[in-house]
Amino acid sequence: AQRVTQPEKLLSVFKGAPVELKCNYSYSGSPELFWYVQYSRQRLQLLLRHISRESIKGFTADLNKGETSFHLKKPFAQEEDSAMYYCAPLEGANNLFFGTGTRLTVIP
Amino acid sequence: DTGVSQDPRHKITKRGQNVTFRCDPISEHNRLYWYRQTLGQGPEFLTYFQNEAQLEKSRLLSDRFSAERPKGSFSTLEIQRTEQGDSAMYLCASTAGGSYEQYFGPGTRLTVT
Repeated sequence: AQRVTQPEKLLSVFKGAPVELKCNYSYSGSPELFWYVQYSRQRLQLLLRHISRESIKGFTADLNKGETSFHLKKPFAQEEDSAMYYCAPLEGANNLFFGTGTRLTVIP
Repeated sequence: DTGVSQDPRHKITKRGQNVTFRCDPISEHNRLYWYRQTLGQGPEFLTYFQNEAQLEKSRLLSDRFSAERPKGSFSTLEIQRTEQGDSAMYLCASTAGGSYEQYFGPGTRLTVT
Protein backbone atom coordinates (compact mmCIF):
# COMPACT_ATOMS: atom_id res chain seq x y z
CA ALA A 1 0.00 0.00 0.00
CA GLN A 2 1.20 3.47 -0.75
CA ARG A 3 1.85 5.49 2.39
CA VAL A 4 3.11 8.81 3.58
CA THR A 5 4.35 9.57 7.08
CA GLN A 6 4.48 12.91 8.82
CA PRO A 7 6.27 12.02 12.05
CA GLU A 8 5.56 15.26 13.93
CA LYS A 9 1.98 16.08 14.87
CA LEU A 10 3.05 19.32 16.50
CA LEU A 11 5.99 21.60 15.76
CA SER A 12 6.80 24.91 17.41
CA VAL A 13 9.50 27.29 16.28
CA PHE A 14 10.36 30.88 17.10
CA LYS A 15 9.76 33.63 14.58
CA GLY A 16 12.79 34.00 12.35
CA ALA A 17 14.03 30.47 13.00
CA PRO A 18 14.31 27.88 10.22
CA VAL A 19 11.49 25.38 9.96
CA GLU A 20 11.38 21.92 8.44
CA LEU A 21 8.24 19.81 8.29
CA LYS A 22 9.06 16.20 7.57
CA CYS A 23 7.34 13.92 5.12
CA ASN A 24 8.47 10.42 4.20
CA TYR A 25 6.80 8.28 1.61
CA SER A 26 6.87 4.62 0.72
CA TYR A 27 6.22 4.39 -2.98
CA SER A 28 7.87 2.76 -5.90
CA GLY A 29 8.77 4.78 -8.92
CA SER A 30 8.39 8.54 -9.01
CA PRO A 31 5.39 9.68 -7.02
CA GLU A 32 3.78 13.04 -7.54
CA LEU A 33 3.82 14.86 -4.22
CA PHE A 34 2.11 17.96 -2.87
CA TRP A 35 2.00 20.02 0.28
CA TYR A 36 -1.40 21.36 1.29
CA VAL A 37 -1.94 23.90 4.06
CA GLN A 38 -4.91 24.89 6.19
CA TYR A 39 -4.73 28.22 8.01
CA SER A 40 -7.01 28.88 10.95
CA ARG A 41 -10.65 29.18 9.82
CA GLN A 42 -9.69 28.79 6.17
CA ARG A 43 -10.04 26.05 3.61
CA LEU A 44 -7.47 23.46 2.75
CA GLN A 45 -5.39 24.81 -0.11
CA LEU A 46 -2.44 23.80 -2.24
CA LEU A 47 0.93 25.16 -1.12
CA LEU A 48 3.48 23.34 -3.26
CA ARG A 49 3.80 20.72 -5.96
CA HIS A 50 7.16 19.00 -6.19
CA ILE A 51 7.35 19.03 -9.98
CA SER A 52 7.02 22.80 -10.16
CA ARG A 53 10.07 23.31 -7.93
CA GLU A 54 8.69 26.71 -6.92
CA SER A 55 9.12 28.66 -3.73
CA ILE A 56 5.74 29.66 -2.35
CA LYS A 57 5.54 32.03 0.63
CA GLY A 58 9.23 31.28 1.16
CA PHE A 59 8.65 27.53 1.41
CA THR A 60 10.45 24.96 -0.71
CA ALA A 61 10.25 21.19 -0.85
CA ASP A 62 12.65 18.86 -2.58
CA LEU A 63 11.88 15.29 -3.49
CA ASN A 64 14.73 13.11 -2.24
CA LYS A 65 14.31 9.72 -3.87
CA GLY A 66 17.23 8.21 -2.00
CA GLU A 67 15.71 9.04 1.37
CA THR A 68 12.12 8.83 0.06
CA SER A 69 11.43 12.20 1.63
CA PHE A 70 9.66 15.39 0.65
CA HIS A 71 10.39 17.73 3.53
CA LEU A 72 8.96 21.26 3.54
CA LYS A 73 11.44 23.96 4.50
CA LYS A 74 11.53 27.66 5.14
CA PRO A 75 14.66 29.51 6.28
CA PHE A 76 12.89 32.13 8.42
CA ALA A 77 9.52 31.31 9.92
CA GLN A 78 6.85 34.01 10.18
CA GLU A 79 3.87 34.15 12.52
CA GLU A 80 1.50 33.87 9.57
CA ASP A 81 3.00 30.47 8.75
CA SER A 82 1.20 28.98 11.75
CA ALA A 83 -1.15 26.42 10.23
CA MET A 84 -1.80 22.74 9.64
CA TYR A 85 0.38 21.26 6.90
CA TYR A 86 -0.36 18.05 5.02
CA CYS A 87 1.94 16.10 2.77
CA ALA A 88 -0.10 14.43 0.04
CA PRO A 89 0.99 12.16 -2.76
CA LEU A 90 -1.23 11.68 -5.74
CA GLU A 91 -2.69 8.19 -5.62
CA GLY A 92 -4.01 6.50 -8.70
CA ALA A 93 -4.86 8.96 -11.42
CA ASN A 94 -6.52 11.62 -9.41
CA ASN A 95 -7.04 11.34 -5.69
CA LEU A 96 -4.79 12.67 -2.98
CA PHE A 97 -3.63 10.52 -0.07
CA PHE A 98 -3.09 12.86 2.85
CA GLY A 99 -0.69 12.34 5.71
CA THR A 100 -1.87 12.92 9.27
CA GLY A 101 -0.57 16.47 9.18
CA THR A 102 1.75 18.64 11.25
CA ARG A 103 0.47 21.63 13.17
CA LEU A 104 3.09 24.37 12.99
CA THR A 105 3.07 27.11 15.58
CA VAL A 106 5.40 30.05 15.13
CA ILE A 107 6.10 31.73 18.44
CA PRO A 108 6.45 35.51 18.29
CA ASP B 1 -18.19 32.29 -8.26
CA THR B 2 -16.61 32.28 -4.83
CA GLY B 3 -15.20 28.78 -4.93
CA VAL B 4 -16.46 25.39 -3.88
CA SER B 5 -19.48 25.57 -1.62
CA GLN B 6 -20.97 22.91 0.63
CA ASP B 7 -24.30 22.72 2.35
CA PRO B 8 -25.06 22.36 5.18
CA ARG B 9 -22.00 23.45 7.08
CA HIS B 10 -23.06 21.56 10.17
CA LYS B 11 -25.42 18.64 10.65
CA ILE B 12 -26.40 16.92 13.87
CA THR B 13 -28.39 13.75 13.47
CA LYS B 14 -29.44 10.78 15.53
CA ARG B 15 -28.02 7.36 14.90
CA GLY B 16 -29.99 5.50 12.28
CA GLN B 17 -31.16 8.58 10.40
CA ASN B 18 -30.24 9.35 6.80
CA VAL B 19 -28.36 12.50 5.86
CA THR B 20 -27.53 14.14 2.56
CA PHE B 21 -24.85 16.71 1.84
CA ARG B 22 -24.48 18.89 -1.20
CA CYS B 23 -21.37 20.19 -2.94
CA ASP B 24 -21.30 22.86 -5.63
CA PRO B 25 -17.92 22.88 -7.39
CA ILE B 26 -16.31 25.77 -9.20
CA SER B 27 -18.42 26.14 -12.32
CA GLU B 28 -15.90 25.17 -14.98
CA HIS B 29 -14.44 22.25 -13.04
CA ASN B 30 -15.37 18.84 -14.40
CA ARG B 31 -13.76 16.77 -11.65
CA LEU B 32 -15.23 16.50 -8.18
CA TYR B 33 -13.95 14.67 -5.12
CA TRP B 34 -15.33 13.74 -1.72
CA TYR B 35 -13.09 13.27 1.30
CA ARG B 36 -13.77 12.48 4.94
CA GLN B 37 -11.69 13.86 7.79
CA THR B 38 -11.84 12.62 11.36
CA LEU B 39 -10.23 14.27 14.34
CA GLY B 40 -6.46 14.17 14.25
CA GLN B 41 -6.31 12.66 10.78
CA GLY B 42 -5.78 14.01 7.32
CA PRO B 43 -8.58 13.92 4.79
CA GLU B 44 -9.31 10.44 3.40
CA PHE B 45 -10.45 9.98 -0.17
CA LEU B 46 -13.98 8.66 -0.61
CA THR B 47 -14.92 9.03 -4.26
CA TYR B 48 -14.27 10.92 -7.47
CA PHE B 49 -16.41 12.07 -10.41
CA GLN B 50 -15.45 13.19 -13.84
CA ASN B 51 -18.48 15.04 -15.13
CA GLU B 52 -21.42 12.82 -14.15
CA ALA B 53 -19.44 9.57 -14.10
CA GLN B 54 -18.30 8.18 -10.77
CA LEU B 55 -14.89 6.81 -11.73
CA GLU B 56 -13.37 5.79 -8.43
CA LYS B 57 -14.60 4.74 -5.01
CA SER B 58 -12.60 4.05 -1.88
CA ARG B 59 -13.13 0.95 0.21
CA LEU B 60 -14.11 3.43 2.92
CA LEU B 61 -17.31 4.05 1.00
CA SER B 62 -19.50 1.37 2.51
CA ASP B 63 -22.87 0.33 1.15
CA ARG B 64 -24.50 2.95 3.36
CA PHE B 65 -22.77 5.71 1.42
CA SER B 66 -23.83 6.83 -2.02
CA ALA B 67 -22.73 9.77 -4.10
CA GLU B 68 -24.21 11.24 -7.23
CA ARG B 69 -23.45 13.98 -9.69
CA PRO B 70 -26.46 13.74 -11.97
CA LYS B 71 -25.77 16.58 -14.38
CA GLY B 72 -22.06 16.88 -13.97
CA SER B 73 -22.42 19.99 -11.85
CA PHE B 74 -23.34 19.73 -8.14
CA SER B 75 -22.91 16.50 -6.23
CA THR B 76 -24.67 14.90 -3.28
CA LEU B 77 -23.33 12.49 -0.72
CA GLU B 78 -25.91 10.47 1.18
CA ILE B 79 -25.28 8.39 4.27
CA GLN B 80 -28.02 5.96 5.21
CA ARG B 81 -28.58 4.59 8.70
CA THR B 82 -25.90 6.80 10.20
CA GLU B 83 -23.60 5.43 12.87
CA GLN B 84 -21.57 7.29 15.47
CA GLY B 85 -18.42 6.39 13.55
CA ASP B 86 -19.69 8.48 10.65
CA SER B 87 -19.12 11.63 12.69
CA ALA B 88 -16.52 13.56 10.73
CA MET B 89 -15.89 16.52 8.48
CA TYR B 90 -16.92 15.77 4.90
CA LEU B 91 -14.91 17.73 2.36
CA CYS B 92 -15.59 18.31 -1.28
CA ALA B 93 -12.99 19.43 -3.80
CA SER B 94 -13.01 20.19 -7.50
CA THR B 95 -10.51 20.64 -10.25
CA ALA B 96 -10.49 21.38 -13.94
CA GLY B 97 -9.48 18.62 -16.32
CA GLY B 98 -5.75 18.62 -16.87
CA SER B 99 -5.06 20.56 -13.69
CA TYR B 100 -3.48 19.05 -10.60
CA GLU B 101 -4.69 21.57 -8.05
CA GLN B 102 -7.76 20.58 -6.07
CA TYR B 103 -9.87 23.40 -4.66
CA PHE B 104 -11.55 22.52 -1.42
CA GLY B 105 -14.84 23.55 0.04
CA PRO B 106 -15.36 24.55 3.69
CA GLY B 107 -16.68 21.11 4.58
CA THR B 108 -19.80 19.76 6.28
CA ARG B 109 -19.32 18.72 9.87
CA LEU B 110 -21.51 15.74 10.75
CA THR B 111 -22.21 14.77 14.33
CA VAL B 112 -24.11 11.55 14.94
CA THR B 113 -25.56 11.30 18.44
